[in-house]
Amino acid sequence: DAKTTQPNSMESNEEEPVHLPCNHSTISGTDYIHWYRQLPSQGPEYVIHGLTSNVNNRMASLAIAEDRKSSTLILHRATLRDAAVYYCILRPRFSNMLTFGGGTRLMVKP
Amino acid sequence: DAGVTQSPTHLIKTRGQQVTLRCSPKSGHDTVSWYQQALGQGPQFIFQYYEEEERQRGNFPDRFSGHQFPNYSSELNVNALLLGDSALYLCASSWGDLGQYFGPGTRLTVT
Repeated sequence: DAKTTQPNSMESNEEEPVHLPCNHSTISGTDYIHWYRQLPSQGPEYVIHGLTSNVNNRMASLAIAEDRKSSTLILHRATLRDAAVYYCILRPRFSNMLTFGGGTRLMVKP
Repeated sequence: DAGVTQSPTHLIKTRGQQVTLRCSPKSGHDTVSWYQQALGQGPQFIFQYYEEEERQRGNFPDRFSGHQFPNYSSELNVNALLLGDSALYLCASSWGDLGQYFGPGTRLTVT
């Protein structure tokens, strides 16, 4: 399975944008890039996913590099409620199995 | 919409015992996946059920088994419990190629 590499932790100030990077140099052409986050004491929460083009939804934006070997999750204005572990996951096209790595722990300072 | 619900919330069992965990998927979802999350780690995929059949399985022994009912709800059974089975067990439901919706989990402690 293709793997992802994320920083262990990041800090952000409240109401500032946050860019969470993810490297996936061994991604295959049919792998979808998924992002989930897990708030303390909760199950993971779907954030966004994409294949080749950048994607936007009400929670975040996903910027995918042209060669697809990296992606960035963008939170436009971080709030204290965005403090969580963010997981970048590659999901093969014909599989619903999610392989979680260590993720990035995002800390948001007031 | 109640979202994904799981029961029980917490459970304490003794080594060698058997346990059954339950999951009700989000309304409209027909696929259920189970994950195990040890403390401080990311969730690990156990298996997935669709149309009452196990469709995919992760690297877990046969002690872990499951079932999906006609109403799409699901059970996870673990036999011959080991101390290492202590974890948060997460259920996720989905429909088609869309994202998975996770429940709050069942915290299993094996003593």
